[in-house]
Amino acid sequence: SQQGEEDPQALSIQEGENATMNCSYKTSINNLQWYRQNSGRGLVHLILIRSNEREKHSGRLRVTLDTSKKSSSLLITASRAADTASYFCATAPQAGTASKLTFGTGTRLQVTL
Amino acid sequence: EPEVTQTPSHQVTQMGQEVILRCVPISNHLYFYWYRQILGQKVEFLVSFYNNEISEKSEIFDDQFSVERPDGSNFTLKIRSTKLEDSAMYFCASSVLDVGSEQFFGPGTRLTVL
Repeated sequence: SQQGEEDPQALSIQEGENATMNCSYKTSINNLQWYRQNSGRGLVHLILIRSNEREKHSGRLRVTLDTSKKSSSLLITASRAADTASYFCATAPQAGTASKLTFGTGTRLQVTL
Repeated sequence: EPEVTQTPSHQVTQMGQEVILRCVPISNHLYFYWYRQILGQKVEFLVSFYNNEISEKSEIFDDQFSVERPDGSNFTLKIRSTKLEDSAMYFCASSVLDVGSEQFFGPGTRLTVL
């Protein structure tokens, strides 16, 4: 698989349910960032988790990171219709110069009423 | 809340023409980036910029591309002679620090090359 692959590719849930999206990557990272993108719009930064962190919370978002498995998950609790969007993980390299982000393929989340 | 802004939101150009995409990063940020997203594909890194010079560039960022910070606020991406395959959404991003910082993205410029 390529660096930054999310699964599932698409997820459809009802409002109030929880949504879990997974991301896998291949190389060592400094941090992993999650973004949301509404259709045809810009990327909204959601959360950054560093390689020495295992879990992070922000409001209804919970992100985990397992560096041994090179994977991360994003959990959105009590989903709302407004959460409908594509969600991407992006990894920053462990070392080197300015941290170019490598993006995954994204998960399209549909939250229905 | 400070945000990255980009102009124009949509640019239509003829193949072979030069385009300049403009960005105003968040004011206290020191690192600047351009990414692009071809319709239906992943977001791809193009170039990073710090202290008035390119830090890193991808294979996509060939001689047709250039970046500049012409003044204290703007950050531009120039494509000298556009090709059909340059049609994409171009995102500018900025971060306070280098590795370990959140990158905040602008709303993007949709470039359509005819």
